Amino acid sequence: QKEVEQNSGPLSVPEGAIASLNCTYSDRGSQSFFWYRQYSGKSPELIMSIYSNGDKEDGRFTAQLNKASQYVSLLIRDSQPSDSATYLCAVNRPSYDKVIFGPGTSLSVIP
Amino acid sequence: GAVVSQHPSRVICKSGTSVKIECRSLDFQATTMFWYRQFPKQSLMLMATSNEGSKATYEQGVEKDKFLINHASLTLSTLTVTSAHPEDSSFYICSASGGGSTDTQYFGPGTRLTVL
Repeated sequence: QKEVEQNSGPLSVPEGAIASLNCTYSDRGSQSFFWYRQYSGKSPELIMSIYSNGDKEDGRFTAQLNKASQYVSLLIRDSQPSDSATYLCAVNRPSYDKVIFGPGTSLSVIP
Repeated sequence: GAVVSQHPSRVICKSGTSVKIECRSLDFQATTMFWYRQFPKQSLMLMATSNEGSKATYEQGVEKDKFLINHASLTLSTLTVTSAHPEDSSFYICSASGGGSTDTQYFGPGTRLTVL
């Protein structure tokens, strides 16, 4: 099992819809979870972090964490064409003293 | 807050030359800095982790003598690609964390290296 897994996509959603991006991780000791957005040819930018079970909302973005299921997701409401990018899930691994990035999910929002 | 700069943004060099890339945290002290490489349409690949004043920790398969990393202060890390070859052409991205190697990372804008 890979340390951090994401569907590679591409995930296509119509403009105005909710985009749901999923991530699973292998280390039960992980405590910090991050979502980044990366536009083509650019570096990743932080969307949000989450540390506790449940939902965390920031504008149109909601991160959801379920440590029991080792699952973290990102919901994007009212998706816009400008949201088209690759979304990276990152999870800390305390025993290795590092953060592991998933391979990313490509999202395409269709006007 | 949490701004990281990288210089240069783009560099073209001849095979066999060395290239230095600078990474600076502008508004916070970065206890840990990271260097990544990304080939087109591929995932981020961590090359090394550096803590201020310490030797960098390189990932498996990354040649430490080829990719020299210096983290001389809490705001500056440099990556030097020595004796660059065309296969070193890639997008090099640094990130910085103020809280250690498992805390939030803030990325620089990246440096696109082309070796002719």
